[in-house]
Parts: sequence; structure tokens; C-alpha cells
Amino acid sequence: DADVTQTPRNRITKTGKRIMLECSQTKGHDRMYWYRQDPGLGLRLIYYSFDVKDINKGEISDGYSVSRQAQAKFSLSLESAIPNQTALYFCATRMGRTNQPQHFGDGTRLSIL
Amino acid sequence: AQSVAQPEDQVNVAEGNPLTVKCTYSVSGNPYLFWYVQYPNRGLQFLLKYITGDNLVKGSYGFEAEFNKSQTSFHLKKPSALVSDSALYFCAVRVSYGNNRLAFGKGNQVVVIP
Repeated sequence: DADVTQTPRNRITKTGKRIMLECSQTKGHDRMYWYRQDPGLGLRLIYYSFDVKDINKGEISDGYSVSRQAQAKFSLSLESAIPNQTALYFCATRMGRTNQPQHFGDGTRLSIL
Repeated sequence: AQSVAQPEDQVNVAEGNPLTVKCTYSVSGNPYLFWYVQYPNRGLQFLLKYITGDNLVKGSYGFEAEFNKSQTSFHLKKPSALVSDSALYFCAVRVSYGNNRLAFGKGNQVVVIP
């Protein structure tokens, strides 16, 4: 499903580097989400956005920041990456004020050495 | 706090046998429950949801789930498993009405043995 596109798909970097993960969608959804997936922990919400001017912290926002550049674009940044941020990161979108489910991108596998 | 639990780490089943993946929930108020599947190197794909109505919910790829309020469970089922059903399955519950945030279980790896 290419409606939610994440770039890059894989990234290896070093501790202390600034990293940006990008998400774009063609579904016309207003709500966008960033999650991280760790083995045995499921998915945990980092940040979410209802529209360009509405950004909210999730349950594990420390060490991360986001930018909603347009309705279709939502970026996640790690200002100074650390090894325990090694994980699989997912972007999701949803149309608000409906009972429709969230739609996920294919993820970015991030490794921090 | 709103949460779901998936008690098993891995479910092994022979091809053609019934498949069940267990999920229990803890919520205040009426639960909105979801099942997603994740194939290797892919994102989560929506299978089905329960919001209200019939306790038996039918979804994609022949999957269904049974909502049981007295047992606070929402188990995923498929009558006859296929090798292609081998994947990671996640149960999720909506934790707040206004923003539709979801809390996910840890996931269950399903292995269908040919």
C-alpha cells in the first residue's frame, strides 16, 4: 500500500547524529501518527498530529521532535541519536471524526551504533 | 489505564487447522477494539474492528473475532489456517475518544506449519 510512504526504509547512523524520518500520504487524511516498534513491546506512540497546527506528544516523546509541514507530510527527528532509539518506526494516518482505522506505512528500520 | 494483553508469544498451528490468537482488554467504558497483521518488512494492515453491534466481527482474509464482554476478550479466529497467514498479529484498543489514540498489545507471532 503506497498511500503512506516512509523514507528512508533503512538507516544506519552513529550516536549523536541528527536524523530525520519522513512520512507522506496521498490518502487525504488529516491525522498522522508516529510509532516505534520494539520486539516484545508492540507499538508505542511518539507523537501525533490532528492538522498542521496541532501537534501532540505521545507516550514516549522524549528525545524526539516532529514537524507537520503540510497536511500530507509529517516528519520525525532525532536531534541527537542514541543507541536505545534503535527500532522500527512507523507512520500512520487516519481520517478524523470517523470510525475508520489507522493506515500504516511500511516502516523505517533505524540502527544507531 | 486502557490496555490490551496478548498472553502468548507465539502460536503454532498446522495448515488447515483452526487458528485462534488471544486478546484481553481493560478499559473504562465501551471498548473500541482492533486487530492488525504485520507481514515481514511491511507495516501493519488492518484486519477488523469492533465498535458496537454483533459480537462476531468478520474481517479481511477470512478472519473473524469474537467480542466477549463478560470475559473482556476479543480473540481473533480463522477456521482453516493457511501458510500465508504466518505473520505477527497485534490487538489494539482505543484509549481516548477525542484523538483516537490506540494502545497496542505486544504482538503474537503466528506460525502455520505446512
